Amino acid sequence: KAGVTQTPRYLIKTRGQQVTLSCSPISGHRSVSWYQQTPGQGLQFLFEYFSETQRNKGNFPGRFSGRQFSNSRSEMNVSTLELGDSALYLCASRVAGAGNEQFFGPGTRLTVL
Amino acid sequence: QQPVQSPQAVILREGEDAVINCSSSKALYSVHWYRQKHGEAPVFLMILLKGGEQKGHEKISASFNEKKQQSSLYLTASQLSYSGTYFCGTANAGGTSYGKLTFGQGTILTVHP
Repeated sequence: KAGVTQTPRYLIKTRGQQVTLSCSPISGHRSVSWYQQTPGQGLQFLFEYFSETQRNKGNFPGRFSGRQFSNSRSEMNVSTLELGDSALYLCASRVAGAGNEQFFGPGTRLTVL
Repeated sequence: QQPVQSPQAVILREGEDAVINCSSSKALYSVHWYRQKHGEAPVFLMILLKGGEQKGHEKISASFNEKKQQSSLYLTASQLSYSGTYFCGTANAGGTSYGKLTFGQGTILTVHP
């Protein structure tokens, strides 16, 4: 079974621009969660989507948004990029329901100049 | 509030054992353990559920003390490939928070020949 895939793998943007990252979950996984990883703050939860609905949201500003499509693929968008948004963005998918493990994709490395 | 991991770092020689601890101040439904190597995504190791169920790799063992909201990961007969940063992620009990993991700050494990 193919793993979680994320595109693009690397991205360089400038302050003020916006960016869209994509995540394709493992086949059969309908829950997709997004995380931001930085050296200073570690791994932080952004949001979770299930059946095209946002189910949980972390403590990030409204510039961070996401959506999920009917085929469970998910995108996240960051508008008005700031230098501090430079990070590794990871998505993880799982079979929905309690007690199921999350599997991470390779991540998108975003650099904001 | 994120779980607290200890120790922050540990250095081993091949064949030695190690224990990594994860402690939360909140009532937990599940504890998830991951290993991340530099420049790579976190790799799932084990999930421990409230009630005693566990799922994960055969060569790795862990425990979950529900009363104390603490989990420990046991690495025995360490190999060079065990080197990396170990993270625990916790999901709180109740509601629909199962896809929202709060991660500890990580434990850096280094195994030398």
